[in-house]
Amino acid sequence: QKEVEQDPGPLSVPEGAIVSLNCTYSNSAFQYFMWYRQYSRKGPELLMYTYSSGNKEDGRFTAQVDKSSKYISLFIRDSQPSDSATYLCAMIEYGNKLVFGAGTILRVKS
Amino acid sequence: EAEVAQSPRYKITEKSQAVAFWCDPISGHATLYWYRQILGQGPELLVQFQDESVVDDSQLPKDRFSAERLKGVDSTLKIQPAELGDSAMYLCASSLAPGTPNSPLHFGNGTRLTVT
Repeated sequence: QKEVEQDPGPLSVPEGAIVSLNCTYSNSAFQYFMWYRQYSRKGPELLMYTYSSGNKEDGRFTAQVDKSSKYISLFIRDSQPSDSATYLCAMIEYGNKLVFGAGTILRVKS
Repeated sequence: EAEVAQSPRYKITEKSQAVAFWCDPISGHATLYWYRQILGQGPELLVQFQDESVVDDSQLPKDRFSAERLKGVDSTLKIQPAELGDSAMYLCASSLAPGTPNSPLHFGNGTRLTVT
């Protein structure tokens, strides 16, 4: 069993839709949770990170963590074609290496 | 905004040949990482440097892969001999310090390696 599980998609939605991207994990020692966005032929870029259970909002993006269920989510409101990319969840124990999910391919159709 | 520089962007090589990738991290970033990303998968850590010292190379196939960061700045990752299964994106990342999102990883755009 992988430490971090993420549905690879692809997920295809119409412009303006609310998108929900999810990851589950098995290591209860993970303390920090991150979402990276990766455009085709580019390196990943950090979108958001959170430490505790609950929600964190940044513009159209909301990151949600439920440590009791070992489940994290990224919500994108009013999705745009420019949001089309691969979204990678990532997790870390303090001082240890970052562990990535496999990534979910998102396609937003105009 | 400062970026992590990597070269070459693309490399095609025949199996059993040697290849090398170069990375120049963001200035002042003490921690440097090499990741391998196979198509359809997330990046996996190959090696992590703190300044010029290796702090984690547990997933580096040491029979064929080597990495160095001699002066604690730029770094080179080498594969010799290359195998078909090495075809992947090789990503370099840097951060001010390891292990916390307060010091996030900044990735370069990678080197896409194809072994024929």
